[in-house]
Amino acid sequence: QSALTQPASVSGSPGQSITISCTGTSSDVGAYNYVSWYQQHPGKAPKLMIYDVTNRPSGVSNRFSGSKSGNTASLTISGLQAEDEADYYCSSYSSSSTEVFGTGTKVTVL
Amino acid sequence: QMQLVESGGGVVQLGRSLSLSCAASGFTFSNYPIHWVRQAPGKGLEWVALISYDGNNKYYADSVKGRFTISRDNSKNTLYLQMNSLRTEDTAVYYCAQNSWLPFFYFYSMDVWGQGTTVTVSS
Repeated sequence: QSALTQPASVSGSPGQSITISCTGTSSDVGAYNYVSWYQQHPGKAPKLMIYDVTNRPSGVSNRFSGSKSGNTASLTISGLQAEDEADYYCSSYSSSSTEVFGTGTKVTVL
Repeated sequence: QMQLVESGGGVVQLGRSLSLSCAASGFTFSNYPIHWVRQAPGKGLEWVALISYDGNNKYYADSVKGRFTISRDNSKNTLYLQMNSLRTEDTAVYYCAQNSWLPFFYFYSMDVWGQGTTVTVSS
């Protein structure tokens, strides 16, 4: 049950696009289309941003998009805004009948 | 509106036990599997456990297997986490979380989260 690997930090200027990667294995990210992405502001509970690799829940801005290639999933934030500054976590179902989260990425808006 | 409210956190000595609760409201609790997820201070999210909608199936992270027990009382709309043999590395904010649109499906994205309850294990 090793955590999925994410970059520790990603930054961008307002209006730019950034992409966060999430690398797993053929037993989790690569095996299932059950990758989710969560946004967490300091002191708050996580918020679901993407589910099933590419889908946005109702109410989530279309500036957020997800994709997957092989064992790596990605979250792209386009038109970066100050309110997007937060921690982001990916997660995936694993063949060991567990859920595994990513190591987390701190997004900074310059 | 679906709501989850955790309680039971506190300071506990190394090796002792503590029980957490998660009260659910605003939906048919007995239709939905539900998770515990924790976050150590300054660290990332860690999945802890999942229980099926009927309580018959339970799944645990290796880090808590054999020490923690997840359970639920559907008549009380409440989820529990019994934590035994606590270690300093169990210090964290504990969240209950679930999916709101896919009943009965075990592992799925979590769009409803509680506010969390803090557990501190002191040595």
